[in-house]
Amino acid sequence: DSGVTQTPKHLITATGQRVTLRCSPRSGDLSVYWYQQSLDQGLQFLIQYYNGEERAKGNILERFSAQQFPDLHSELNLSSLELGDSALYFCASGTGENQPQHFGDGTRLSIL
Amino acid sequence: GENVEQHPSTLSVQEGDSAVIKCTYSDSASNYFPWYKQELGKRPQLIIDIRSNVGEKKDQRIAVTLNKTAKHFSLHITETQPEDSAVYFCAASIEGNTPLVFGKGTRLSVIA
Repeated sequence: DSGVTQTPKHLITATGQRVTLRCSPRSGDLSVYWYQQSLDQGLQFLIQYYNGEERAKGNILERFSAQQFPDLHSELNLSSLELGDSALYFCASGTGENQPQHFGDGTRLSIL
Repeated sequence: GENVEQHPSTLSVQEGDSAVIKCTYSDSASNYFPWYKQELGKRPQLIIDIRSNVGEKKDQRIAVTLNKTAKHFSLHITETQPEDSAVYFCAASIEGNTPLVFGKGTRLSVIA
């Protein structure tokens, strides 16, 4: 158990819909990172938050957005979903900015 | 920005043999290099990391070497066991500054 909690574990929805993925970092960790992993693909960095503020953006689509709340949990919002958005979405947390990252178990998103 | 190349993409070894996975990075300012192991359908797990102030680090059967001049680092697994079978990812970053950039992964199969 990494201490990083992601909910839900699985999500099935239809094209055009909107979903919210949630992440609670390990106790004491201030940084949260979101990654997308498509089938047989590597880990694509989406976005990073540190203590409530956006720190870095990667290959995140405009249809996607995220935020980190005062209690340090984070949410990733995916809208106007397309078939190609089907993937595993991982959240990771770290103690500071870009310190060792520990991953949650992921949310598997399936778009039908 | 940083670019990480990882080779080979697949690797099969006999149980008990050694396995070596190599990564190269492009940004000479990068100073933090972790390795993650991902079993099928599970989260990436940090197995070892190295910082640029050292050239080698060992943890039981796992070792990582770093050549800053050549900008490459390698993962060495000795006495491989079937449970070592997984996808291994290398990554690089400027610690405290930039997000991790991951290689595309190496699928290691250990044949009993």
